Amino acid sequence: KNQVEQSPQSLIILEGKNCTLQCNYTVSPFSNLRWYKQDTGRGPVSLTIMTFSENTKSNGRYTATLDADTKQSSLHITASQLSDSASYICVVSGGNNRLAFGKGNQVVVIP
Amino acid sequence: EADIYQTPRYLVIGTGKKITLECSQTMGHDKMYWYQQDPGMELHLIHYSYGVNSTEKGDLSSESTVSRIRTEHFPLTLESARPSHTSQYLCASSEGGHPNTGELFFGEGSRLTVL
Repeated sequence: KNQVEQSPQSLIILEGKNCTLQCNYTVSPFSNLRWYKQDTGRGPVSLTIMTFSENTKSNGRYTATLDADTKQSSLHITASQLSDSASYICVVSGGNNRLAFGKGNQVVVIP
Repeated sequence: EADIYQTPRYLVIGTGKKITLECSQTMGHDKMYWYQQDPGMELHLIHYSYGVNSTEKGDLSSESTVSRIRTEHFPLTLESARPSHTSQYLCASSEGGHPNTGELFFGEGSRLTVL
């Protein structure tokens, strides 16, 4: 079983609307959690990093939250744009010197 | 934009051919990685290197091999390609800190199709 589960697997949203992506993990001990954005045909690019003591962090229209107690993170996209169409990958770093990757949330923004 | 480059971006070859996927970075990062990515699936680490002359196998078994003769260069080689090797291969690098906890900088990927 994957140590990082993301939901929904895919979603379609109208341009200008908000959406929230979920990431649940079982990695322990926990070091940090990153959200990456991967455009079609490109490599992933880091959006945010969350450490144990951080609850929320914003990067423009992207806001990530972390609840280390329940081992859950979310990525909220505000006022979506067509350029937000991408796969969003949750990556958790643990103390065992390894990264655990989720399968990604595939977001499609339509006009 | 990350300064990490992969070539070729796309490659279609026949079974049994030898191929080398190139990866170069100009950021001076000691740590470099190769990941395999299939549609709808998570990235799987197949090789990594913590510096020159250091290479290790990752979590996913792979018939490919890698070398790290120069800091900036981390090529991946398949001696005899098979259709099961068809996939997207992503090269990445990171700097400093605890291995595998720093930000990964990815190349654009090499999409390999073996007929």
